[in-house]
Amino acid sequence: NAGVTQTPKFQVLKTGQSMTLQCAQDMNHNSMYWYRQDPGMGLRLIYYSASEGTTDKGEVPNGYNVSRLNKREFSLRLESAAPSQTSVYFCASSSYGGPGYEQYFGPGTRLTVT
Amino acid sequence: ILNVEQSPQSLHVQEGDSTNFTCSFPSSNFYALHWYRWETAKSPEALFVMTLNGDEKKKGRISATLNTKEGYSYLYIKGSQPEDSATYLCAADSGGGADGLTFGKGTHLIIQP
Repeated sequence: NAGVTQTPKFQVLKTGQSMTLQCAQDMNHNSMYWYRQDPGMGLRLIYYSASEGTTDKGEVPNGYNVSRLNKREFSLRLESAAPSQTSVYFCASSSYGGPGYEQYFGPGTRLTVT
Repeated sequence: ILNVEQSPQSLHVQEGDSTNFTCSFPSSNFYALHWYRWETAKSPEALFVMTLNGDEKKKGRISATLNTKEGYSYLYIKGSQPEDSATYLCAADSGGGADGLTFGKGTHLIIQP
């Protein structure tokens, strides 16, 4: 079991460039999430997918789009990167959209936008 | 958007001492409270998920309690060891679980030998 995997691990973009962060889980989880981590801030939810075929905005969705490609994969796209999107991005998944289920996190993608 | 507060922000503890820290969250619309341990250069890992008022959970030397009526949770570490050094995150779930979590900023714990 690989758990939650993310690619790439590191990325440097110039302002205005686009890229897609990939996330996959092999635990047959229904729900998947994208968070960003910035210094002095907690993990903040960007988008989530409660189940295959659905996506919803979280706390900080501006500048991002997501695709739940299938039950395993949930990608995050930056259409036109900005320096404010420099951050560490974590993908997570959980087994069910109920209150008692912990989230499993991927290793993170460190993104720098210059 | 919930307001989840953790205190203290950082903590230095001597090896062998016990310690505790606090997470406060809005008591309305409460579904669950999560605690995660986050070591440097790794991903957050779940410690506990608690849903009921009065819940107490334990994993080895680490335990947690939950008071949903007043909106707080405590995490306790007994007999701190260097490997306990990490950032401890709490997160509130007010949306039934599928909607994602609202995290506090964490308590950064350093165990000094």
